[in-house]
Amino acid sequence: AQKITQTQPGMFVQEKEAVTLDCTYDTSDPSYGLFWYKQPSSGEMIFLIYQGSYDQQNATEGRYSLNFQKARKSANLVISASQLGDSAMYFCAMRESGFGNEKLTFGTGTRLTIIP
Amino acid sequence: EPEVTQTPSHQVTQMGQEVILRCVPISNHLYFYWYRQILGQKVEFLVSFYNNEISEKSEIFDDQFSVERPDGSNFTLKIRSTKLEDSAMYFCASSTGRANTGELFFGEGSRLTVL
Repeated sequence: AQKITQTQPGMFVQEKEAVTLDCTYDTSDPSYGLFWYKQPSSGEMIFLIYQGSYDQQNATEGRYSLNFQKARKSANLVISASQLGDSAMYFCAMRESGFGNEKLTFGTGTRLTIIP
Repeated sequence: EPEVTQTPSHQVTQMGQEVILRCVPISNHLYFYWYRQILGQKVEFLVSFYNNEISEKSEIFDDQFSVERPDGSNFTLKIRSTKLEDSAMYFCASSTGRANTGELFFGEGSRLTVL
């Protein structure tokens, strides 16, 4: 089974609208972290937001928020008031705990295109 | 803000040549990683490095690959004899090693093109 599933290969959203990018995950580890990264066409991986499995509140960073539903194992990224510069690939990733197991597992990504 | 830096940003090499990609992780970080992203595909884990040794590696990280921390700051990935399928973006990352934190940052990547 895939550890991280992003079911939306591509999305088109009107500028200034909010957008939700879906991410579901699969782990039996009680301690884990969930990340979202943005990858513009230039290729770098830009960290957006992080949610720890024990965090009581949903993470927020400016226009980004993470809708964390632990029972459903989902960690959707919400971008409010989208901008043209938000057009990029977005990757959800999970990091499980345990010594020697600190790596990130990535989803296949969602290509977001903001339409003027 | 501290950042992970990688060099070169782009390298073109002939098949069969050796390549070394360099990374300077964030100074107080303890875990170091290499990831790979073939064009249009997802980011894949290659190897993690802790306490001067490999802590985990993926099936991609075969005998052609090696990592080293030759001094207190650099972290290198060597590909001994490059193949066409090694063409990819290679990302270095570093973290403090505490899994339940958000402290894992990537460099800007090194694009490797094997001809």
